[in-house]
Amino acid sequence: DAGVIQSPRHEVTEMGQEVTLRCKPISGHDYLFWYRQTMMRGLELLIYFNNNVPIDDSGMPEDRFSAKMPNASFSTLKIQPSEPRDSAVYFCASSLVGAGETQYFGPGTRLLVL
Amino acid sequence: ILNVEQSPQSLHVQEGDSTNFTCSFPSSNFYALHWYRWETAKSPEALFVMTLNGDEKKKGRISATLNTKEGYSYLYIKGSQPEDSATYLCAFIPHNQGGKLIFGQGTELSVKP
Repeated sequence: DAGVIQSPRHEVTEMGQEVTLRCKPISGHDYLFWYRQTMMRGLELLIYFNNNVPIDDSGMPEDRFSAKMPNASFSTLKIQPSEPRDSAVYFCASSLVGAGETQYFGPGTRLLVL
Repeated sequence: ILNVEQSPQSLHVQEGDSTNFTCSFPSSNFYALHWYRWETAKSPEALFVMTLNGDEKKKGRISATLNTKEGYSYLYIKGSQPEDSATYLCAFIPHNQGGKLIFGQGTELSVKP
């Protein structure tokens, strides 16, 4: 298996632009997680899905952030409009079953908003 | 607010030293605890998933213990090597919250040759 795939790996954009991050989980995994890593807050959970349904989005910072999972093999995290404080590394992870199972992380998308 | 604390924040040891660090988590509503190893410029990789009080897990020179009653887990590295240099994260999973992990801030380990 190729593991969790994220694209793009790096994104540089200007403030106000829309940013879309993409994730393909490991085939067969039924949980998908979006995390954000910053120096100040470390690794924080933004939202997670079970069987394509959002379960907990309490970590989504504000309405500018939205996430979708239209099918079992694809998810997007969108920021519109982007702001400089959104600059961070965004990780996607997937797991089988859930809490007791290991989460497998993708390589991350490094976002820089100018 | 569920708080996961890791100590120390950073650790510098010499090659061959053994070391350990701590993860503290809420002792109530426990479901599972994960340990991850995170090398710079890479993504976190799972080390251990621990669910039972008294669990001890081992992978090579790295081992972990779990005490759910008092809310702590220790990670031990025996005979540290430069390639062990990384940030070690623990993550607490509360009961009835699906797969939601609450991460600590990590312990950054640096092993000098």
